[in-house]
Amino acid sequence: QKEVEQDPGPLSVPEGAIVSLNCTYSNSAFQYFMWYRQYSRKGPELLMYTYSSGNKEDGRFTAQVDKSSKYISLFIRDSQPSDSATYLCAMSPILTGGGNKLTFGTGTQLKVEL
Amino acid sequence: NAGVTQTPKFQVLKTGQSMTLQCAQDMNHNSMYWYRQDPGMGLRLIYYSASEGTTDKGEVPNGYNVSRLNKREFSLRLESAAPSQTSVYFCASSVGVGQPQHFGDGTRLSIL
Repeated sequence: QKEVEQDPGPLSVPEGAIVSLNCTYSNSAFQYFMWYRQYSRKGPELLMYTYSSGNKEDGRFTAQVDKSSKYISLFIRDSQPSDSATYLCAMSPILTGGGNKLTFGTGTQLKVEL
Repeated sequence: NAGVTQTPKFQVLKTGQSMTLQCAQDMNHNSMYWYRQDPGMGLRLIYYSASEGTTDKGEVPNGYNVSRLNKREFSLRLESAAPSQTSVYFCASSVGVGQPQHFGDGTRLSIL
């Protein structure tokens, strides 16, 4: 079993819909959680990062962490065709210190249709 | 704002040829990484450098070598390319290990 599981999709939604993207994980030591967006033929781009449990909002994006369930989510409100991309979650035990690298999910492909 | 720059963007090699992929960052980051990304496999860490002067193996290091040339530059070398190394290679950097990473746009490598 992988440490981080992410549904690969593809997920297709109409423009304006609320999108929910999710990851589950098994390592209870993970404390920091990140979401990356990757457009076709580009590198991953950091969207949001959060610490421990709770919510963080940035414009149309909300990141949510539920450590008790080992479950994180990214919500996209009022989705746009420009949101069409692959979304990867990533997590780390701590933000500083040697040897603690990021663990990535495999990514969910999202398509927002006109 | 260049961020992380990778060269070349595309390359085709024949089996057995050697090649060095170059990566440079201008964010004064301490840590740098090399990943490969294959369909259905996600990002897999090949090697990383926690700080200038150090390198360590990641998840899939076999067939690769790295050099941290200075704080800015981290290169990945394939000594004898194999078709199984056909992939998209990404370089990334971060302030420190475990912190959010910033990625280049990748090198698409095909080995025939």
